[in-house]
Amino acid sequence: AQSVTQLGSHVSVSEGALVLLRCNYSSSVPPYLFWYVQYPNQGLQLLLKYTSAATLVKGINGFEAEFKKSETSFHLTKPSAHMSDAAEYFCAVSFGNNRLAFGKGNQVVVIP
Amino acid sequence: NAGVTQTPKFQVLKTGQSMTLQCAQDMNHNSMYWYRQDPGMGLRLIYYSASEGTTDKGEVPNGYNVSRLNKREFSLRLESAAPSQTSVYFCASSEVGGTNEKLFFGSGTQLSVL
Repeated sequence: AQSVTQLGSHVSVSEGALVLLRCNYSSSVPPYLFWYVQYPNQGLQLLLKYTSAATLVKGINGFEAEFKKSETSFHLTKPSAHMSDAAEYFCAVSFGNNRLAFGKGNQVVVIP
Repeated sequence: NAGVTQTPKFQVLKTGQSMTLQCAQDMNHNSMYWYRQDPGMGLRLIYYSASEGTTDKGEVPNGYNVSRLNKREFSLRLESAAPSQTSVYFCASSEVGGTNEKLFFGSGTQLSVL
């Protein structure tokens, strides 16, 4: 079955430290891949998406993600966390048919 | 610059009551979606409408109905609310509905069923 896995519901990171959020998918065919961010009391916003043009994708607010076909992964990183990065982050995978499958999300807490 | 607008923002229902969640987009998008968000579950697709006049079931359609009233509006109806439908509901839209498209989300409706 096609699925999206995000491990660790809550992630704590110190201000200025590396942010790393992991996303793995199961599919025999490379899907379309996305990261969305949700700030408190708001809807989701697109952070970045993989378009197959390049394996390293740069998004908004200094985030980037790398597609690794051999590992079926699309991990999200940011070199230096800022207080404003506190939010919930969702990996999403499109397997076709107008449907996005979302991971369970990572709640990121930034410690001053 | 409204984007996707959902009403109401909050609602409390008693078991068995009915209600309709409204959604409208002003971006001339063809495709619209209803998701529910539950803690630790991510977002799950309830129904979607690829274009005006069409609707299809998503992952968790039981207990819900939808209407694509026109290109702008896509409503979600709970005919007989149950406590299991307590959730945050998000409406979203996309330009064409392709698999590589960005979704635009509303700010959500927090629904509690007692």
